Amino acid sequence: AQSVAQPEDQVNVAEGNPLTVKCTYSVSGNPYLFWYVQYPNRGLQFLLKYITGDNLVKGSYGFEAEFNKSQTSFHLKKPSALVSDSALYFCAVRDRESSGSARQLTFGSGTQLTVLP
Amino acid sequence: NAGVTQTPKFRILKIGQSMTLQCTQDMNHNYMYWYRQDPGMGLKLIYYSVGAGITDKGEVPNGYNVSRSTTEDFPLRLELAAPSQTSVYFCASSSQGDGAFFGQGTRLTVV
Repeated sequence: AQSVAQPEDQVNVAEGNPLTVKCTYSVSGNPYLFWYVQYPNRGLQFLLKYITGDNLVKGSYGFEAEFNKSQTSFHLKKPSALVSDSALYFCAVRDRESSGSARQLTFGSGTQLTVLP
Repeated sequence: NAGVTQTPKFRILKIGQSMTLQCTQDMNHNYMYWYRQDPGMGLKLIYYSVGAGITDKGEVPNGYNVSRSTTEDFPLRLELAAPSQTSVYFCASSSQGDGAFFGQGTRLTVV
């Protein structure tokens, strides 16, 4: 079964500093990888995705993520954090295989990012 | 575009009651999902569908049922509501290789 691990429940960073939110995954085949953000009392908003090609993908609001196949990781990064980036971040994976349980979109447990002014 | 629309936004049920959470999308997506999110927790997949007439169980299907008679609609049925089903429910849709679009959620309380 596929799975996603976000090893940090909470990440704190000072405004203006770079931020990293970690994600590792496990699938039987090749992955589609996604990052989502959730603000309080709201649904999840799509940030970025890795489908194929360049390992560094850029997304909304200045976020980017690096796909590392050997380490099965897809860490979310931003060069300079803003207070408004404070939110709950979710990593998700789906296997490219389009049959059986591989079609599920599986989420990590989430990482609460707090950017301190 | 409306995207993914969930109704109702809030609901209080008594133990043993039943209800249907509605979800509709206007993006012609084949994939649709139902998740629940408990306080301070991640998303748990309840059921998903890869097209009209096809549904599959996710991680936590017990106590729920779904149907997918059309591409647009994916209702979630709760039979005999229990306090353990108190949660926020999210519907989402996607195409095969794209990010999922989420509804705004339904906050359900079972008392």
